Amino acid sequence: ETGVTQTPRHLVMGMTNKKSLKCEQHLGHNAMYWYKQSAKKPLELMFVYSLEERVENNSVPSRFSPECPNSSHLFLHLHTLQPEDSALYLCASSQALTADTYYEQYFGPGTRLTVT
Amino acid sequence: GQNIDQPTEMTATEGAIVQINCTYQTSGFNGLFWYQQHAGEAPTFLSYNVLDGLEEKGRFSSFLSRSKGYSYLLLKELQMKDSASYLCAVLDSNYQLIWGAGTKLIIKP
Repeated sequence: ETGVTQTPRHLVMGMTNKKSLKCEQHLGHNAMYWYKQSAKKPLELMFVYSLEERVENNSVPSRFSPECPNSSHLFLHLHTLQPEDSALYLCASSQALTADTYYEQYFGPGTRLTVT
Repeated sequence: GQNIDQPTEMTATEGAIVQINCTYQTSGFNGLFWYQQHAGEAPTFLSYNVLDGLEEKGRFSSFLSRSKGYSYLLLKELQMKDSASYLCAVLDSNYQLIWGAGTKLIIKP
């Protein structure tokens, strides 16, 4: 049990649908992350929130929209996705980021997304 | 550009030893991580190296040479449950975590 949960675990959606992925952490952390994991490719960092403020957006298409209502919850809102967006979406959390300190990340099990 | 290289797949025998290599070229260095990821599950933290040398944790050890841009993960007394992907990641000068594509380790009886 990693203390980070994600729902749903699997999602199939059409290109015109709107859906949301949910992540919840029970570790008392203050930073949360969204990653995209495609087969045989490195993890791609999508968004980072630290102390509920977005601190990273790695040129992610606007069809992905994050939301962090509090330090325990993170959402990824999806709309008009493309088939190439099919992947495993991982959420992670850690202690809050500072200028010169890094803390290990704890990952959730991921949502397997298929866009048809 | 920034790059992490590790073998795509390795096969080893139960009870044996295997070494998974990782080489990196990054803008700065603030540490190297190894994570384990079983199929369909979350990556879990294995080790963190920031200084040169060997760090041992039970059956797993991680080695770092900063001058060579090189690390390896050593797994001893392999068990079937060690079948997983092993991800190498480097923290660059901006404290961005740069990930490798992972090494899929297959353990055979």
